[in-house]
Amino acid sequence: DTAVSQTPKYLVTQMGNDKSIKCEQNLGHDTMYWYKQDSKKFLKIMFSYNNKELIINETVPNRFSPKSPDKAHLNLHINSLELGDSAVYFCASSQTRQGAGGYTFGSGTRLTVV
Amino acid sequence: KQEVTQIPAALSVPEGENLVLNCSFTDSAIYNLQWFRQDPGKGLTSLLLIQSSQREQTSGRLNASLDKSSGRSTLYIAASQPGDSATYLCAVTDDYKLSFGAGTTVTVRA
Repeated sequence: DTAVSQTPKYLVTQMGNDKSIKCEQNLGHDTMYWYKQDSKKFLKIMFSYNNKELIINETVPNRFSPKSPDKAHLNLHINSLELGDSAVYFCASSQTRQGAGGYTFGSGTRLTVV
Repeated sequence: KQEVTQIPAALSVPEGENLVLNCSFTDSAIYNLQWFRQDPGKGLTSLLLIQSSQREQTSGRLNASLDKSSGRSTLYIAASQPGDSATYLCAVTDDYKLSFGAGTTVTVRA
């Protein structure tokens, strides 16, 4: 059983398009996150939700909009995609907002904007 | 703002040698510290989690120490194997998020 699963694994799309990435965790965790890994492989937080409530929103363009329909799901919608959005996006979860028990990551979604 | 630094950025050793990877962080008010492994093109695999009240954690050939007051952690990998070749990431939890270092890329030569 996959603990944190993301779909799709790969996404190639043209500039200006809108796309979504889905994430689901079956660990019963309260908190979910989106992280972005840029071309230099550095990981940086984008958003965090705790029990469907947004608790962290880093300086991310408004074109990125997370949605959490329930605490097991966190989706990421991106409008008007730009070349600079090309990166690997990781979903993660933790038991609590403090990070109790550590973080579990999904396998990532490689987004390429052409 | 928390800053996490990992030294060295890259390391190449012959098989069988012990590995020492260093991590430092600027704000000692952390909740826990986690070491991850990332293989090329893959996701993050958790290796060890150290709570802020702990001094070390061990799993097989891996041992991680934590000196919270000085803002340092060290990951030791004993008797390295070619399969240990990967990027190792250190991350600390504070302010409700995980902050990462840039990683140490390890190559173990057969």
